[in-house]
Amino acid sequence: EIVLTQSPATLSLSPGERATLSCRASQSVTSYLAWYQQKPGQAPRLLIYLASKRATGIPARFSGSGSGTDFTLTISSLEPEDFAVYYCQQHRNWPLTFGGGTKVEIK
Amino acid sequence: QVQLVESGGGVVQPGRSLRLSCAASGFTFSTYGMHWVRQAPGKGLEWVAAIIYDGTNEFYADSVKGRFTISRDNPKNTVYLQMSSLRVEDTAVYYCARDSRDCSSIDCSQFPLANWFDPWGQGTRVTVSS
Repeated sequence: EIVLTQSPATLSLSPGERATLSCRASQSVTSYLAWYQQKPGQAPRLLIYLASKRATGIPARFSGSGSGTDFTLTISSLEPEDFAVYYCQQHRNWPLTFGGGTKVEIK
Repeated sequence: QVQLVESGGGVVQPGRSLRLSCAASGFTFSTYGMHWVRQAPGKGLEWVAAIIYDGTNEFYADSVKGRFTISRDNPKNTVYLQMSSLRVEDTAVYYCARDSRDCSSIDCSQFPLANWFDPWGQGTRVTVSS
């Protein structure tokens, strides 16, 4: 099973600041990595797939990068609605696995 | 618009069974794989099971293999999760999610699933407790 480790667990930032979230895989997933956003009481929403492709309707301030074992989700300038929990997920091998999440909170 | 609506959750005793349903609308259900993903209270996401577009192949997490069965009824636009021998640790919100690969426009004979999820339903809560 591929283990995904997200860091940091919590990121405290102000609106307008840049957020950089990390996801590290226990073995290479090449580019088969997705990112999701989850707000309290809501279902997750797909942001990024294949490491760097933005899903339909996702603002350009969200970007993904990386390959192999190290991946990054960047939010260029935080909007109030971006404060949420973010999960990475590898979609290369069975079983599909998620990281433990990074909470982006208002500083 | 694409919509997924789960139902069937509730409170059940350990060892008992429960069947979840997910009704799909707004897209051609029979050309997409489907997944179930769960989230225990206050915890992260855990993928549970997947089924390809025509129902001929299924995949499971080790934690549910042999106890849970995913199935689908394409004429009814519904995917199911039959859960048996339930354990306290199965307590979670269960989400159904559509796979992102549309097999109506590409050859899915070798790779019928993309394995990323979009969109998700709102979830149904399952509590296993005596």
